[in-house]
Amino acid sequence: EAGVAQSPRYKIIEKRQSVAFWCNPISGHATLYWYQQILGQGPKLLIQFQNNGVVDDSQLPKDRFSAERLKGVDSTLKIQPAKLEDSAVYLCASSPRGFWRGGSYEQYFGPGTRLTVT
Amino acid sequence: GNSVTQMEGPVTLSEEAFLTINCTYTATGYPSLFWYVQYPGEGLQLLLKATKADDKGSNKGFEATYRKETTSFHLEKGSVQVSDSAVYFCALSTAGGTSYGKLTFGQGTILTVHP
Repeated sequence: EAGVAQSPRYKIIEKRQSVAFWCNPISGHATLYWYQQILGQGPKLLIQFQNNGVVDDSQLPKDRFSAERLKGVDSTLKIQPAKLEDSAVYLCASSPRGFWRGGSYEQYFGPGTRLTVT
Repeated sequence: GNSVTQMEGPVTLSEEAFLTINCTYTATGYPSLFWYVQYPGEGLQLLLKATKADDKGSNKGFEATYRKETTSFHLEKGSVQVSDSAVYFCALSTAGGTSYGKLTFGQGTILTVHP
């Protein structure tokens, strides 16, 4: 079974530029997550999709970040314009189903995209 | 809200030493608890999990027991190997209210094992 795919693996941009990341989840997984991992910290959820609908985007800086999941499969995360503090690893994860009373089902993570904003 | 606190690192051990990484949590509802591992240059991988109080998760010689009374989920291994060198993350998830199963992570603990 193929894992979660992400591209690009690395990206360097200047502040105020825009950037987009792509994620292809494991086939058949209904739930997709984007996390931001700043160096030295644990990942933090940015947005969660259930099929192609947004379930949680409470931590997404909506003035500069946007995300979509067309047809309930692939997803893109965009930053426009980027700031220095956006330098981080952006992780995509997917799960077969969303959640139950006790929390989430196992989430499978992609390799991440390391973004450097100069 | 939900939060996870891990012991600060980094942790440096000799091969075959005993490992403990402490993890405590605060959560609303009935959390599931996880340990994820991130090897150098790789993505996060689930190491073990526990979904209810007193459950013990185990994998690859690692163990952790869900202690509701102390709100803890400490990771242990009796004899570490050089190949265990990685960053370890404690995490929890809940569902209900404003949470839909997202993972809340601790800050991570860097483990280095020397031969």
